[in-house]
Amino acid sequence: DAGVIQSPRHEVTEMGQEVTLRCKPISGHDYLFWYRQTMMRGLELLIYFNNNVPIDDSGMPEDRFSAKMPNASFSTLKIQPSEPRDSAVYFCASSFQVGQVGSPLHFGNGTRLTVT
Amino acid sequence: RKEVEQDPGPFNVPEGATVAFNCTYSNSASQSFFWYRQDCRKEPKLLMSVYSSGNEDGRFTAQLNRASQYISLLIRDSKLSDSATYLCVVIGGFKTIFGAGTRLFVKA
Repeated sequence: DAGVIQSPRHEVTEMGQEVTLRCKPISGHDYLFWYRQTMMRGLELLIYFNNNVPIDDSGMPEDRFSAKMPNASFSTLKIQPSEPRDSAVYFCASSFQVGQVGSPLHFGNGTRLTVT
Repeated sequence: RKEVEQDPGPFNVPEGATVAFNCTYSNSASQSFFWYRQDCRKEPKLLMSVYSSGNEDGRFTAQLNRASQYISLLIRDSKLSDSATYLCVVIGGFKTIFGAGTRLFVKA
C-alpha cells in the first residue's frame, strides 16, 4: 500500500510566484481533502472532493487558491500569486467515505511551503 | 464556541504515568470519532477509532460520551515514545473537524 503521495516535500519560492502542489490519493478512496497547517491556526480544511467533484471549498482562503481533481488518482492545489502568509505545511488526505466508522482519513507526508 | 475543543496542554508526565485527554464537540449529530497522533513535522496518523461502547488497544483506551458530547483518550504506562500531539477528530454532516491538538511530553 503506497499511501497518499504528495509532491514536492519542500517548496521554497519568492512572493508572487505560482506554486503547484500535487497529490495522489490511495487507490479506491473516493474522498480527497486538502488541509493547511500552521502553528497559529492548526489544521484547516481548505477543500474536499468526492468522486473528483469539489464538494466544499469554503475553506479556501481567497481567489489566489484553486484546486482541481481531473481524475481519481490526481489532484493539484495551486496558489497564484503566492504570498509570505501562505507559508505552511499543506497536507492531502483521502478516505473511503465520510461519516462511517472505520473510514478515517489517511494523510500524505505533506508539502512544506516557504514563501519569501 | 469552537465545534471541537481540546485542552492544548502541554501535559508533562513521567514515564509510567497514566494520562487522559478529553475532547468536546458541539454537533450532537456527529457520527464518527477518531484519535490521531502527530509527531513534530510529520503528518497526522490514525491512532484509533472511538466506538460508543468504548474500545481499547494495548495501553490506549478511547471512550465516547454522547450525552455529554465528549470523547476521551487514556494512555496507561506512558512511554517516552508517546510524546506527540494528540488530535481528536469528529465527523458529522459530511464535515470532518479536527481539534487543535493536545501536546504530551513524557519524561524519563
